[in-house]
Parts: sequence; structure tokens; C-alpha cells
Amino acid sequence: LAKTTQPISMDSYEGQEVNITCSHNNIATNDYITWYQQFPSQGPRFIIQGYKTKVTNEVASLFIPADRKSSTLSLPRVSLSDTAVYYCLVGLRNAMNTGFQKLVFGTGTRLLVSP
Amino acid sequence: GAVVSQHPSRVICKSGTSVKIECRSLDFQATTMFWYRQFPKQSLMLMATSNEGSKATYEQGVEKDKFLINHASLTLSTLTVTSAHPEDSSFYICSASLYNEQFFGPGTRLTVL
Repeated sequence: LAKTTQPISMDSYEGQEVNITCSHNNIATNDYITWYQQFPSQGPRFIIQGYKTKVTNEVASLFIPADRKSSTLSLPRVSLSDTAVYYCLVGLRNAMNTGFQKLVFGTGTRLLVSP
Repeated sequence: GAVVSQHPSRVICKSGTSVKIECRSLDFQATTMFWYRQFPKQSLMLMATSNEGSKATYEQGVEKDKFLINHASLTLSTLTVTSAHPEDSSFYICSASLYNEQFFGPGTRLTVL
């Protein structure tokens, strides 16, 4: 499984754009990149997933360069409620494309948004 | 979206007792579920992969006799912490796959006195 490396922590202010970069140098051809958000004492929540280039949804954007050895989660105009831990994971879909083989979490990035 | 529930959300038990934690996929069937453990201020650590109708696959260093996993149906997996000790106190989280997403339960806080 590809190992991921993220900054341990980041600080930001309300209304700013936050970009969290994740390195995954050993990503395999069939691996997808997924980002999760976790609040204290809760299970992780899916944010966004991508394979290459750029993916955007209602809460975030994911930028993946051509070599796929890194990815950047972009959170536009963060608010206090975005204070959480953000995890970048790479994982291989199972043969039937019905889910992932096991996902291994890295250290995550603790984002603190201040007023 | 798909929902995964866990029961109980919190449990406190005495040292030496066994505790069962349930993980249910409420609106979808999951042939595979995963169990994680998370200590304070740390990341999630994968404990085992639970496969419906077969034995669970444990990660290296996880005692299979201590953490019993049963996946008897396509919507239910259980984790039993046997002869629990204070060092087993942790946040236990399960997850299940549906299409290209992994859905996580809300977690179970286990405190062993």
C-alpha cells in the first residue's frame, strides 16, 4: 500500500483558502486518492476522491498532477467548523469496483481555523 | 448516502470482562467491513478486515484471540474485545465499502476500568 506524507498541522483564518498537500510517491497505477475529514470522537467523513487532474465537488477541490505522486486538497473559504483532521489515503479498488481494499491511514493534517 | 451505524456509542466495563461492538450497514449490503482503533491524538489503525461468511483477516500485531470478529450477515459485523484491560481503552471505528467510497461508522468509545 502506498504510504502518504502530510504536514502534521496547519493554521488558517476564516474566509481563507486552505491547501493541504499529500505526497504518495509509491502510488500504484490502479490506486485512487481519497481525502477524509474527522472531527473529535467521530468517524471519518468522505470529502473527495480522484484519480488524476482535477476533481471538484460542493465542498472541496482535489488537484492531482500528471505523475500522481502528490495531491492537493483545496478548501475554499474555510470556516471555524472546518477545524478537523484531514487524511489523505491512496487505495486500490477491489476487482469488482464495489469498494476499496483495505485503506491505511497516515498521520493526517490537523487544521485549525481561527476567527 | 450510505449509513454505517455502531452500537454502543460508549461502553465502560471492568477489567477482565468482554465487550461486543456491533457495526451495521443500514441501507446497503457490505461483503467486507473494516475495523479500526484510534488512540487519542493519533491516526486510525487498521485492525482487521471482516469478510461475510469467512474468517477475518487481521493486521500484523493484532491478536485474533483477543479481538474476535464475526461477520454473520451482509449488514452486520461484530467485534468482541475479550478479557478487556485498561490498555484496550480506545475509540473503535468500523467501515464498509459501497461503490467507490468507504463509509465509516460513528465510532465506539471503550473505557476499561
